[in-house]
Amino acid sequence: EIVLTQSPGTLSLSPGERATLSCRASQSVSTNYLAWYQQKPGQAPRLVVYGASSRATGIPDRFSGSGSGTDFTLTISRLEPEDLAVYYCQQYGTSPTFGRGTKVEIK
Amino acid sequence: EVQLVQSGAEVKKPGESLKISCKGSGYSFTSYWIGWVRQMPGKGLEWMGIIYPGDSDTRYSPSFQGQVTISADKSISTAYLQWSSLKASDTAMYYCARLDVLRFLGYWGQGTLVTVSS
Repeated sequence: EIVLTQSPGTLSLSPGERATLSCRASQSVSTNYLAWYQQKPGQAPRLVVYGASSRATGIPDRFSGSGSGTDFTLTISRLEPEDLAVYYCQQYGTSPTFGRGTKVEIK
Repeated sequence: EVQLVQSGAEVKKPGESLKISCKGSGYSFTSYWIGWVRQMPGKGLEWMGIIYPGDSDTRYSPSFQGQVTISADKSISTAYLQWSSLKASDTAMYYCARLDVLRFLGYWGQGTLVTVSS
């Protein structure tokens, strides 16, 4: 099973700042089958990025994904108040797994 | 518009059985895998398993194999998650989601809260 380690656990930033979320895999993620999901309080998760760097439909361009192999990053270039959420990475290879999430707080 | 609509919240006692549902619409239900994801109170997302409604091919995460049953009725475009004997530790929010062709979870249901308490 591929273990995904997300860091930091919590990120507290002011509106307009840049948020950098990390997801590290215990072994290489095949074909960059790595997705990021956003879960706002009281809501179901929502797809943000798939294939490590492709933005999902309707996601603002301030969100970007990068990385390959075992190291992946989700960047929010200019934080907005509505970006308050927990962000999960997921590898969706043969036996999918999720990371434990990074909580983004707005100061 | 793709939609996944899940059944309502349930309150059950330990040892009882339960079947929750996820109805798909706005797409060919038999052509996409449906997955189930658990979220225990205040915790993260856990992959439970998937089903292909076209032929009912089912795959379980090792952590959930033997603990739950995933099924589907393609005639009514509905997938199910069921327990034969609930435990307090099954208390959680359960989400269904449609897998894209590339296997990420592109569309999610609204979630079903299951509470198991004596």
